[in-house]
Amino acid sequence: QVQLVESGGGVVQPGRSLRLSCAASGFTFSTYGMHWVRQAPGKGLEWVALIWYDGSNEYYADSVQGRFTISRDNSKNTLYLQMNSLRAEDTAVYYCARDYYQLPDYWGQGTLVTVSS
Amino acid sequence: QSALTQPASVSGSPGQSITISCTGTSSDVGGYNYVSWYQQHPGKAPKLMIYDVSNRPSGVSNRFSGSKSGNTASLTISGLQAEDEADYYCSSYTSSSTLLRVFGGGTKLTVL
Repeated sequence: QVQLVESGGGVVQPGRSLRLSCAASGFTFSTYGMHWVRQAPGKGLEWVALIWYDGSNEYYADSVQGRFTISRDNSKNTLYLQMNSLRAEDTAVYYCARDYYQLPDYWGQGTLVTVSS
Repeated sequence: QSALTQPASVSGSPGQSITISCTGTSSDVGGYNYVSWYQQHPGKAPKLMIYDVSNRPSGVSNRFSGSKSGNTASLTISGLQAEDEADYYCSSYTSSSTLLRVFGGGTKLTVL
């Protein structure tokens, strides 16, 4: 079955960087686009980024454009999110999710990122 | 402020039916048949319940149904069960230049 496992979260100071990973299994990773979606504590869901199956196109929410970079390594079945210049408002659980015609269908369990001094 | 508007909470008794609304604009809900609904239990990942307004993924109970009229989409759950108690989020494709996908603020369903 589809399995997505995020890692790399933790506590980081404002202005610093962090890289999240998402290990995929149970499906042919190289044929699916992938999303990152986040959820601030006690808040709703916010779409963050999408990358096409082959990495040829990337899309970002305005709130992270220019600071975050989504990428993938199809040889390792792994999705990444490089987060730079982190802000307190980036504090959230970050989920990776498989794409189904530009909508997230299967989601991982998430990894918590806390931006605090 | 979320792009799509949902009621903060709804409630119902076991066996009853409830409906959760999701209001957007012509740039998202009203303009495309790409509305989806997610169920999220506390501390868990969201689960896709409805896609493309009214389609159910394999394995989702037929007690869950979706519809749309104009800029408002709706999720109806019939024959409420205790395990339906969760947060529900709507989502839509958007033609906004800064977003690809928008979500509602979420609705807490309480089964009395």
